[in-house]
This record gives sequence, structure tokens and C-alpha cells, in this order.
Amino acid sequence: KAGVTQTPRYLIKTRGQQVTLSCSPISGHRSVSWYQQTPGQGLQFLFEYFSETQRNKGNFPGRFSGRQFSNSRSEMNVSTLELGDSALYLCASTPRPGYTGELFFGEGSRLTVL
Amino acid sequence: AQTVTQSQPEMSVQEAETVTLSCTYDTSENNYYLFWYKQPPSRQMILVIRQEAYKQQNATENRFSVNFQKAAKSFSLKISDSQLGDTAMYFCAWGTQGGSEKLVFGKGTKLTVNP
Repeated sequence: KAGVTQTPRYLIKTRGQQVTLSCSPISGHRSVSWYQQTPGQGLQFLFEYFSETQRNKGNFPGRFSGRQFSNSRSEMNVSTLELGDSALYLCASTPRPGYTGELFFGEGSRLTVL
Repeated sequence: AQTVTQSQPEMSVQEAETVTLSCTYDTSENNYYLFWYKQPPSRQMILVIRQEAYKQQNATENRFSVNFQKAAKSFSLKISDSQLGDTAMYFCAWGTQGGSEKLVFGKGTKLTVNP
């Protein structure tokens, strides 16, 4: 069974631009969550989706948004990029919310903002 | 708010020896999970071990075991017979049992296993 797939793996943007990251969960998994990983702040929860509905959102500005499609694939968008948005963005999936609490992570999308 | 603290930013151990990584957490909830995740240099985070707070017995997975002290809010990971492939970042994490996928992570411990 294929794992969580994130695209693109690496990307470079400049300040003020916007970016869209994609996540395909494990087949059969319907819950998707996103995390931002930086050396200074560590791993921070961005948001989670189930059945195309955002169930929970972390403490990030409105420039960070996301959505989930009917096939459970998810995208997150960051508008008006800032230098501090440079990070590894990790997506994780589970069959359903609260499934043993275990998350299955993708390899991440490395965003560099210049 | 829940917090997770890992007081050891970096550790090293010789191959075949035992190492213990520390983690403390703070929560007012009674039902929750605790996890240790491993992130090798290739970056994909994988679950090492999971503990349900209502279980008194410490979880064990092959060479990995935990020492869960609920009253002290302590959750340490012991790696026995360390192998070179154990070299990675290790993250302690807390999650509620209420159905949310939100995990609260510690800052991580970089473990290096030396030959």
C-alpha cells in the first residue's frame, strides 16, 4: 500500500508570492492533518480535515489555508509568503479521526522563501 | 495548554549500548495518548511506540520501551542494543483521546549512534 504522498518535495518562492502544497493520503484514509516544522519552533499543528470539513485549526495567521477534496486528497495554501514561512510542511493521514491516535506521515514539502 | 518538553537536544550512544531519552509533558486532561516518533535523515516521520494514559503497563516494541510515570507526567524512551539505523531525531508527542489529530510535539532529541 502506497504511503502518504506530498508534492512538490522542494520549492523555492520569493516573498509576497503564494504557494500550494498537495497531499495524497494512504488509500482508505479519510482524515488529513498538516504540520509545519522549523528548527526554532519544532513541529506545529496547522489544521486537520475529515470528510472535506476542517475540524481543527492551529494558531497560524489567515494566510494559511487548506481544503480537502471528496477523494480525501488535501491541499494547503500560503499566501503573501514571508521569510518565516520557510519550513518543512508535513502531511499526515489516518483512516478516521481519533484512530488510535497514530498519524502516518509523508516525507514533506520543503519550502524556501527568499 | 498542553506542552511537551524534551530536555536533551542531542545525545550520542555507542552501537549495542542502551540510551534513554527524556520527555515531560503538561496537561489537565485525563485521557490521552503519548508517542515517540522517529525522523531519520530522509525526513519521513514514523511511529516508534505509543502509550495510552489509562494503561499502567509500560509499552514495549522490540528494542524500544517506555517508562511512563503519569503522576510525574514523565514519558521516557529506552532504546536497547542501539543500532546505526537508530540515528535520527526523536520526537515525544501528546495527543488527546477525543478524536482530534492534533498532536503537541516536543522540540526533539537528535540521537547519534556511533560505530
